[in-house]
Amino acid sequence: DAGVTQSPTHLIKTRGQQVTLRCSPKSGHDTVSWYQQALGQGPQFIFQYYEEEERQRGNFPDRFSGHQFPNYSSELNVNALLLGDSALYLCASSLGPESEIQYFGAGTRLSVL
Amino acid sequence: GENVEQHPSTLSVQEGDSAVIKCTYSDSASNYFPWYKQELGKRPQLIIDIRSNVGEKKDQRIAVTLNKTAKHFSLHITETQPEDSAVYFCAASMDSGYSTLTFGKGTMLLVSP
Repeated sequence: DAGVTQSPTHLIKTRGQQVTLRCSPKSGHDTVSWYQQALGQGPQFIFQYYEEEERQRGNFPDRFSGHQFPNYSSELNVNALLLGDSALYLCASSLGPESEIQYFGAGTRLSVL
Repeated sequence: GENVEQHPSTLSVQEGDSAVIKCTYSDSASNYFPWYKQELGKRPQLIIDIRSNVGEKKDQRIAVTLNKTAKHFSLHITETQPEDSAVYFCAASMDSGYSTLTFGKGTMLLVSP
């Protein structure tokens, strides 16, 4: 039983570029949440996807957008990258949007130079 | 929105000692409180959780207590072992139909042999 998988594991971009991160949820899970974890901080909620729609959103600008596919996998897109976007991006999956228990992937480490 | 404070930021103990990490939350509507362990370079893993209708929960060497009136909850690890060394995060979530987690900033626990 595969857990939550994320790709790529590491990514280096320059300011102003755009990036796409990918997530496959744990088998049987249909809800995907994305979190940003800056160095030395706890994860911060970006948004949650269920039934291919954004259901909840945290305090992040519109430069952050996402998508969920019919197979429940998800993408996180960040446009016009800033230095401050450098962080570990974590994907978590759950069984339904109301499920409190979330399983995390190992994350994508994004460095913006 | 919800705000979760976590203390201490670092904690050093000798093997065999107990460790206690404390968190406070601001929103009385929060009703689910998980604890995650994150080893260096790895995914956050759920180690124990508690819901607001319970005051204490134990699982072998770890336990969590919740005081709803004071809006604080704590993680207790007994008989610590070097493999307990990691960053521990507390989180809070409210039953709003869409479960999202608000995390504390984390506690780095170092258990010395």
